[in-house]
Amino acid sequence: AQSVTQLDSHVSVSEGTPVLLRCNYSSSYSPSLFWYVQHPNKGLQLLLKYTSAATLVKGINGFEAEFKKSETSFHLTKPSAHMSDAAEYFCLEAGGTSYGKLTFGQGTILTVHP
Amino acid sequence: NAGVTQTPKFRVLKTGQSMTLLCAQDMNHEYMYWYRQDPGMGLRLIHYSVGEGTTAKGEVPDGYNVSRLKKQNFLLGLESAAPSQTSVYFCASSLSQTGELFFGEGSRLTVL
Repeated sequence: AQSVTQLDSHVSVSEGTPVLLRCNYSSSYSPSLFWYVQHPNKGLQLLLKYTSAATLVKGINGFEAEFKKSETSFHLTKPSAHMSDAAEYFCLEAGGTSYGKLTFGQGTILTVHP
Repeated sequence: NAGVTQTPKFRVLKTGQSMTLLCAQDMNHEYMYWYRQDPGMGLRLIHYSVGEGTTAKGEVPDGYNVSRLKKQNFLLGLESAAPSQTSVYFCASSLSQTGELFFGEGSRLTVL
């Protein structure tokens, strides 16, 4: 069965410092991978997606993620955190062996300090 | 362009009452999903549909039923609500199995 592991439940950074949110997937197939962001009391918004075109994927708001098959990882990064980045982030794996089912990670809450 | 719309946004129920959450999408998507979100547990799939007239169980289907009579609508029903069903419910849709998910704003349900 597919599983997605977000390695940190909480990450805290200072404004202007780099952000790293870690995600490992399990599928042995070529997965489609996504990062979503959820601001308080809001729905989830797509940040970026990987669909086997380029291993480095650029998303909105300066975020990017690198697909590393050898490490089964899809970590999300941003060079310089902004206060508005404070939110919960979810990694998602789609496809693979679970037809019609999508596998979410548990989420990482990002706190940004002034 | 509405995207995915959920109604109602808030509801308080008493144990044993029934209710239906409606999800509507205007993007002609085939796939639709119902998730529940609870603190520390991420999003868990309740039921999903891969097209009009079809539904399937997800990870946590017990206590819920769904219907997809029209392609644009996916209904989630609670026949006899329990306090354990207090949660925030999200509907999502996608064009394909591996395509981007579009989410509604969520429906907050409290069962007393």
